[in-house]
This record gives sequence, C-alpha cells and structure tokens, in this order.
Amino acid sequence: SAVISQKPSRDICQRGTSLTIQCQVDSQVTMMFWYRQQPGQSLTLIATANQGSEATYESGFVIDKFPISRPNLTFSTLTVSNMSPEDSSIYLCSVVAETDTQYFGPGTRLTVL
Amino acid sequence: GDSVTQMEGPVTLSEEAFLTINCTYTATGYPSLFWYVQYPGEGLQLLLKATKADDKGSNKGFEATYRKETTSFHLEKGSVQVSDSAVYFCALSDHPSGTYKYIFGTGTRLKVLA
Repeated sequence: SAVISQKPSRDICQRGTSLTIQCQVDSQVTMMFWYRQQPGQSLTLIATANQGSEATYESGFVIDKFPISRPNLTFSTLTVSNMSPEDSSIYLCSVVAETDTQYFGPGTRLTVL
Repeated sequence: GDSVTQMEGPVTLSEEAFLTINCTYTATGYPSLFWYVQYPGEGLQLLLKATKADDKGSNKGFEATYRKETTSFHLEKGSVQVSDSAVYFCALSDHPSGTYKYIFGTGTRLKVLA
C-alpha cells in the first residue's frame, strides 16, 4: 500500500481566485491521478499526472483550468484556476502502488463562494 | 465501453442485519474489481479486491466474489454495525489497456441504525 497526504485538507475560496492542492506519497510511484468528487456524486477522473511531462487530461478537463505538475515520483500539485461556485468539490489524488490497485489521499474539500 | 452499475441507495439497515450491495459490470477484457468505502468526511479506502474470475475478496467481515458468468461483484456482510455507515463504491480497473484507470459506480450510501 501507500500513504498519501494532501494539503490543504479544506479551503474556502473566493470566486475568480486559484487554489493549488498538493499530494505527497511516502514512496515512489509511477501512476498518479487526480479526481473530482462533486457533492453526493461519484468520482470523475480529471487527469493522469505524468512525471517529467505534461499531464494527460480526460474529456471535459483542460490544462488552463486544472494545471498539474509532477516534478518527481512522490509529489504532484493540482491547481484549480479562476474558480467559480461550480468548482466546489472534493479533489482527490490517487496512486497505483501494487499491480493495478489505486490508493487514495484523504481529499481536499473546496468551497467556492 | 466498460461500465459499472451499482444498486441505488440509500440502504438503511438495523444493526446485525445482513448486507448486500449489488454491483454488475461490463468489460471487453478481464478487469480487476474493487470495493472502496468512504466514511463521512474522508477519502476512499480500499475495502477488498479480486483480480480474476471466482476470486473472493474479503476484509473486515465484508466479502465479494468475482462472478464472470453473471458479470457481478456483489458486496456482502453477515452482520453490519453502526460503524459501517458510509458510502460504498464498486470499481473496475482498465488494466488491460495499461492505463490503470478506474471506472467507478455511482456509490451506495449505507446507514446502519442502532
């Protein structure tokens, strides 16, 4: 398994601002993902964070809105840019730590006013 | 494409009742199957998994069997506790594609009453 931490755990932000979320893993991992979980909903994959190259975004998500960095095999950031109330969600990072099993961070609860 | 269908919630049970949460899938290959649990205010925790047909995953009294003939992976527990109240997600791994992406079900909220 893997131990994953995220910062901040929650935040309340004003419309039009940006928030950067950090994800730290206790071991080197190849695959890292970012998800969004809107209130009462399931998880939606935003992108795959690739070490040393641009992230791979899913349909409906773009780099200008959700820029992602992955400087090494244990760390990644997701920025939610130019926020609106519709961006209020839980944002989770996950890693593949064994065979094909994903382990999730505790999530960042974002409220946009 | 691949998909996961979970039974609708919420499911409300009395303590010590038997639990079944249905999960069926469609997949072109041979995916791995997972159950995750999300307690209030927390992230997702891996509950159990199965990687091939007829495998049974089990953990904390929960179990699920990978049934290829019925494309199902139903979650069961013989006697639920109040502390089992959470949202349960069924997922499959698109492993054969090499991307390790998951497809999640919609989640089933379980409420256990004392």
